[in-house]
Amino acid sequence: AQSVAQPEDQVNVAEGNPLTVKCTYSVSGNPYLFWYVQYPNRGLQFLLKYITGDNLVKGSYGFEAEFNKSQTSFHLKKPSALVSDSALYFCAVRDMIRAAGNKLTFGGGTRVLVKP
Amino acid sequence: ETGVTQTPRHLVMGMTNKKSLKCEQHLGHNAMYWYKQSAKKPLELMFVYNFKEQTENNSVPSRFSPECPNSSHLFLHLHTLQPEDSALYLCASSQVGLSGNTIYFGEGSWLTVV
Repeated sequence: AQSVAQPEDQVNVAEGNPLTVKCTYSVSGNPYLFWYVQYPNRGLQFLLKYITGDNLVKGSYGFEAEFNKSQTSFHLKKPSALVSDSALYFCAVRDMIRAAGNKLTFGGGTRVLVKP
Repeated sequence: ETGVTQTPRHLVMGMTNKKSLKCEQHLGHNAMYWYKQSAKKPLELMFVYNFKEQTENNSVPSRFSPECPNSSHLFLHLHTLQPEDSALYLCASSQVGLSGNTIYFGEGSWLTVV
């Protein structure tokens, strides 16, 4: 079985400050990890993914995420948040083993509010 | 603008109506999905189609009936729905076999059952 936990329902940050959105996961084998963002009244947009290789992954809009195998975490980060980053962020995981098929398991989402 | 197009964007239907949601992907992918997003629950995977064949049905009630005529089109037929079925329905696609099998979503169809 695979699962994802996003421990914070909401993160508040001042514009220009660093932003971190936390994610931990559980899989049987090695994980594929993803971050998506959802702006109001929109679908989910793909931000970045970890497949293999460097633990630090860079994605769209200046976001990056760090894969930490020992802590089973994949936290999303941005050095300097913008008001326009206010949105709902989802972490997702897929087990690399073939039996997992296409199933992508999502966390419950973290709402980010960036204040001017 | 995404490579996955959903219509209609908004739908209001009575409990005795029959309606359909349509999804088209322009990404050349070979897998398509329906997800349900409601305020009270996290994203729920409903159906998965690989190469037009249904490979997953996540215990979805029979009042939701998917149809995948080809790898580019996916429908969700709706009949005798309940008010609790009101939600955002998201279509998505991916290329199975590519590294990571990244899923790309459409903008969603907002469904209200009255």
